[in-house]
Amino acid sequence: DTGVSQNPRHKITKRGQNVTFRCDPISEHNRLYWYRQTLGQGPEFLTYFQNEAQLEKSRLLSDRFSAERPKGSFSTLEIQRTEQGDSAMYLCASSLARTFTEAFFGQGTRLTVV
Amino acid sequence: DQQVKQNSPSLSVQEGRISILNCDYTNSMFDYFLWYKKYPAEGPTFLISISSIKDKNEDGRFTVFLNKSAKHLSLHIVPSQPGDSAVYFCAAASGTYKYIFGTGTRLKVLA
Repeated sequence: DTGVSQNPRHKITKRGQNVTFRCDPISEHNRLYWYRQTLGQGPEFLTYFQNEAQLEKSRLLSDRFSAERPKGSFSTLEIQRTEQGDSAMYLCASSLARTFTEAFFGQGTRLTVV
Repeated sequence: DQQVKQNSPSLSVQEGRISILNCDYTNSMFDYFLWYKKYPAEGPTFLISISSIKDKNEDGRFTVFLNKSAKHLSLHIVPSQPGDSAVYFCAAASGTYKYIFGTGTRLKVLA
C-alpha cells in the first residue's frame, strides 16, 4: 500500500478555466476527505465522503466546487471558472469509519491560478 | 472564529533537548485531538493522538498531554533531533470525522 495518492502534484491554470484533481485513498479506507490549505494557515475542511455518499460540505465549498466519489474508491474535486483566490494546496485524506481514528493525508495538489 | 489556536508560530530548540509545542482550543465538545507534522511540499503526516478520556498518550519520543479544564494540549518531543524540524499542526474533532486545525508551529532543531 502506497498511502493516499493525489494527482497532479502541481497545476497552473488561467483564471476562468476549469480544473479537476484526483485522489486515490488507502484501499481499505471508506472515508475520504478534502481539505484546502493556504499560506500560513492550517488545513481547512471542505467535504467528506463515506463510501460513495457525500455526507458534509463546508460553506467554503462554493457552487463552483464539486466533488465526487462514484464507486466509493477514488474521488475527484472539480473547480469551475477558477479565481485567483482558489490558489491553494488541496489535500485529500482517508480513514477508517470508526470513532477516534486518524486520517492519512496525501501529498496534495498545489493549484496556482494566474 | 479560531477554535484551535497555536499561538507560537515558531520554536527553536537545541538537538537533544525537549521541544514543547502548545495548542489551545475553545470548543468543549471536542473529544479527539491529533498532532500532524508537515514538511515543505508534502501533506501532513500523522504523529500521535489522544481522546478526551485520557490525559496523556506516549509513543516513543512523542508524548501528548491533554488538560481538559484548561482546554490545552501539548506535544513533547524528547530528545529533539534535526529531522524533527518541520511545521507541527494540532487538530481537534468532535464526533468522528471533521478535523479543525490550528495554524501550525514551525519547529527548528539546531544541531
